[in-house]
Amino acid sequence: DAGVTQSPTHLIKTRGQHVTLRCSPISGHKSVSWYQQVLGQGPQFIFQYYEKEERGRGNFPDRFSARQFPNYSSELNVNALLLGDSALYLCASSLASGRSSYEQYFGPGTRLTVT
Amino acid sequence: AQRVTQPEKLLSVFKGAPVELKCNYSYSGSPELFWYVQYSRQRLQLLLRHISRESIKGFTADLNKGETSFHLKKPFAQEEDSAMYYCALSGDSGGGADGLTFGKGTHLIIQP
Repeated sequence: DAGVTQSPTHLIKTRGQHVTLRCSPISGHKSVSWYQQVLGQGPQFIFQYYEKEERGRGNFPDRFSARQFPNYSSELNVNALLLGDSALYLCASSLASGRSSYEQYFGPGTRLTVT
Repeated sequence: AQRVTQPEKLLSVFKGAPVELKCNYSYSGSPELFWYVQYSRQRLQLLLRHISRESIKGFTADLNKGETSFHLKKPFAQEEDSAMYYCALSGDSGGGADGLTFGKGTHLIIQP
């Protein structure tokens, strides 16, 4: 198993555009979480999805949305991009939802640059 | 609101010296604490969690609820320990789907 995979690796967008980031969890994992990591900071929680339903949301504006598909892969969408959205976006998968019951495995991230 | 503080942005020690990476947290309920590590050019990975009370790669961390701390310690540092270390907290909100709250990280450099 290749672990959690994310695409694309790098992305450059212009202010006002929208972007879609993709994540494939480890086989058998049903929960996917998204994090934003700005340079010099720790990852910040955006969303958690489990069995195709949103289970948790961090303090991010409505411009951020996500969904999970029947195969448990996930997309993160960001509309009306701002310069401040430039960051590394991390996806993490786990067997199920719930505190620390299930270890989260992180992907390599997608580096988004907004110009 | 829950918060994790790692006061040291950078910590440099010599090989063989003891290492302590500090982590303090703020949370009103009963948190679960973790240490994550990111080696150069690798992805973020779990190092240890307080509920398992195990030692990984010689590292240990004890949850001190009185001092709201979860410091990471290793008695003898090795060069391969050089990495970015993040302390993280999971709260007990309903459903447990509040994600992890991370600190800003400490860059540990082990000098030969």
